[in-house]
Amino acid sequence: DGGITQSPKYLFRKEGQNVTLSCEQNLNHDAMYWYRQDPGQGLRLIYYSQIVNDFQKGDIAEGYSVSREKKESFPLTVTSAQKNPTAFYLCASRGISYEQYFGPGTRLTVT
Amino acid sequence: GQQLNQSPQSMFIQEGEDVSMNCTSSSIFNTWLWYKQDPGEGPVLLIALYKAGELTSNGRLTAQFGITRKDSFLNISASIPSDVGIYFCAGWASSNTGKLIFGQGTTLQVKP
Repeated sequence: DGGITQSPKYLFRKEGQNVTLSCEQNLNHDAMYWYRQDPGQGLRLIYYSQIVNDFQKGDIAEGYSVSREKKESFPLTVTSAQKNPTAFYLCASRGISYEQYFGPGTRLTVT
Repeated sequence: GQQLNQSPQSMFIQEGEDVSMNCTSSSIFNTWLWYKQDPGEGPVLLIALYKAGELTSNGRLTAQFGITRKDSFLNISASIPSDVGIYFCAGWASSNTGKLIFGQGTTLQVKP
């Protein structure tokens, strides 16, 4: 069953703690992306990676970090430096075509 | 970052009506994508368009790649309650920065 998985679906953390969101894909896609979505808002790009061991900052990278050690995995760490971390986080991937596919998302709540 | 101009921002229609929404840009795009997002879920790819003038259908959905390569349209015919959601346009600019550019979304509500 091919696709993108994000876990967990819901995540709760205390302010000041770092938290890592998981994103795994078995589509053999080279490119992977992290987006943030706030209520009633569009999608904002946090980080993206076009190949293993390489990644670039998106439009709102401050307070976030990523790694791309394996083609299948692109975890996102929300650090304590992120001023407003509560949001819906979406992971996506793209293969050789221009079609980008999304995971089911993780809703992070920080109190 | 760069964004597409998507309109309308929201629509409230009666079941059975047809729906139209569009996206425009000041830049040329090579590919247009249309997504639907249900509440609390990730966006699902509905239609991909690759050539100027291309008209593609997916069931009751029809999308077109504008001839100027700066716009795209999505039409939904005979709407049903399960069409409710947020529809996003997205595109790969000819400059190909490696980042998909998104519209702000059109929220569709359907009254049974």
